[in-house]
Order: sequence, then structure tokens, then C-alpha cells
Amino acid sequence: EADIYQTPRYLVIGTGKKITLECSQTMGHDKMYWYQQDPGMELHLIHYSYGVNSTEKGDLSSESTVSRIRTEHFPLTLESARPSHTSQYLCASSDQRETDTQYFGPGTRLTVL
Amino acid sequence: SQKIEQNSEALNIQEGKTATLTCNYTNYSPAYLQWYRQDPGRGPVFLLLIRENEKEKRKERLKVTFDTTLKQSLFHITASQPADSATYLCALARGFQKLVFGTGTRLLVSP
Repeated sequence: EADIYQTPRYLVIGTGKKITLECSQTMGHDKMYWYQQDPGMELHLIHYSYGVNSTEKGDLSSESTVSRIRTEHFPLTLESARPSHTSQYLCASSDQRETDTQYFGPGTRLTVL
Repeated sequence: SQKIEQNSEALNIQEGKTATLTCNYTNYSPAYLQWYRQDPGRGPVFLLLIRENEKEKRKERLKVTFDTTLKQSLFHITASQPADSATYLCALARGFQKLVFGTGTRLLVSP
């Protein structure tokens, strides 16, 4: 069973607020990912990291930023939330020595009013 | 351009029948292909992986085939149950490239 956690599970916030979505994994995986997914739609990769101090932008442009100061922690920050940021955000991790099989967290459902 | 295609229309089947989902890809030469299950509002869960040199893989009621000539993978669920209703995603990669996910196909199993 995957040990990857996301908090909060649900967040409703007003426009202009700064938010940080937390993601932690206890599996010691080097690779971590953030995806954005709207209901019934496909996964879009917005950020990934191959290890500490490594972060890259994904295939979908995003105004969010990420950091990777510790192996187990990969938070995502929005400096000024807007209604267009309303979506589900999924964090995942992978063991680089294997086949990039990804283990997903439960997701954060973000609503910006 | 590289593309992964899964049927965007939902697949409706009767309980007890075999569900077959298709994943086609173009302009890829994946070393392996994976299938995931996603329930509404939750993250995908890994189900099966098949490598390019494998034709077929089984796990309980699940079977995956991989045809690198046709550039296609088929995902079968035998003796389907209403609890199998979910969206199923295929994903592929080569070497240390990051995994690329398809759009998913929704499966609905009626009692």
C-alpha cells in the first residue's frame, strides 16, 4: 500500500490568497510529481522532481511553484489564487530504480471563489 | 507528435461479462506499459505492468496484452462486477523517461 499523503483534502478559499498544498511520502522515493485534473478529464503533469533540490515544469503550464528541500516532502504553492485554479491536485511518487510506477495520494480538491 | 488514445466513450457492460479496454499509441516506442484504475475524486491506483518483450500478463481477473507491432494494449476484466466500475488509464514510458498517461476510459458494470 502506498504511503503518500496530501493535505488538505478539500480547500475553499477566496481570490488572491496564498495557498500551499502539502504532499509527503514515506517510501523514500526519489521522483515526485504534481498533476492537475478537472472532473472527468485527463491528468495534466504540472511539476516534477527527480530528487532534492531538483524541480522541473511539466507539460501543462501552471502559475504554481514547487520546492524539494527534503526527499519526502514536495509542497505546491500558489502565490495568489484565482478561480481558474479551481481543480483537483494529485501528488505522486515513484521509485527511480523501477519502472516509474507511480503511487498517488488522495488528492486535494481546491475551489477558489 | 506522440499520442496515446483511449476510447473517450464510456463502456457499459453487464455483470459477469468480460470488459475489454483499448489503448493505442503513436510515435512511441515504450519499454513498458502500465494500467491504472481511478475512482471519482481519488488518485489513480496501479494495477499491472507489461514489458515490451511480454505478450500477455495476468493478475487474478485482469489480463493485459501488448502488441508492439500494432502499437496497442488491451486490458481485460473477466467476470466483471459492479465494483469494477471506474476509469481505467493506460500509461507508458521508456528507460528513465517519465510516465505519460492516456485520457482514460470509463467502465460501467451493471448488475
